Amino acid sequence: AQSVAQPEDQVNVAEGNPLTVKCTYSVSGNPYLFWYVQYPNRGLQFLLKYITGDNLVKGSYGFEAEFNKSQTSFHLKKPSALVSDSALYFCAVRAYGGSQGNLIFGKGTKLSVKP
Amino acid sequence: EAGVAQSPRYKIIEKRQSVAFWCNPISGHATLYWYQQILGQGPKLLIQFQNNGVVDDSQLPKDRFSAERLKGVDSTLKIQPAKLEDSAVYLCASSSPQTGNQPQHFGDGTRLSIL
Repeated sequence: AQSVAQPEDQVNVAEGNPLTVKCTYSVSGNPYLFWYVQYPNRGLQFLLKYITGDNLVKGSYGFEAEFNKSQTSFHLKKPSALVSDSALYFCAVRAYGGSQGNLIFGKGTKLSVKP
Repeated sequence: EAGVAQSPRYKIIEKRQSVAFWCNPISGHATLYWYQQILGQGPKLLIQFQNNGVVDDSQLPKDRFSAERLKGVDSTLKIQPAKLEDSAVYLCASSSPQTGNQPQHFGDGTRLSIL
């Protein structure tokens, strides 16, 4: 069965420091991997995706993520955090060839960036 | 482009009452999804439509939940009768199905509270 794990409920970072939000996955076959961000009382916003190709994927707002097949991980990173990055971050996976709707989301990681 | 529109934003009802949510997807998006997001969890797919046909409703509690997408555009999700455990945010999303790896675009959701 497909699954996504976000091992940290919360990540605290000082503004200007690098940030990492962790995600590991389990899926049969090649994965499609996504990161979404959710601000309070808002829907999820797409940040970036990995389908194939370069393991380092760049996305919106300066975020990037590194796909590591051997570790089945897809960690979200940003070189310099902003207070406005504070939000809830979700990792999601879909098995290649599966239904478009068959996205499995992690439970989310709350990112808090302090000035 | 206009985003995914949902209404109402908030709804409070008593258990055993009925409730309906409405969603208007991004223009031209043939695929529409309804998700349930319980506090502290990631979204869980309830149902996926391709145009006006159901692709996946395996996680929809069909004894109380129903959804339709007449004419392949707007969609309505209904709960009848509501239970306390249905308290959640109901998110609608849409995507363009040209390829299998397009991100889903989410509305801001309807927050349902059951008393």
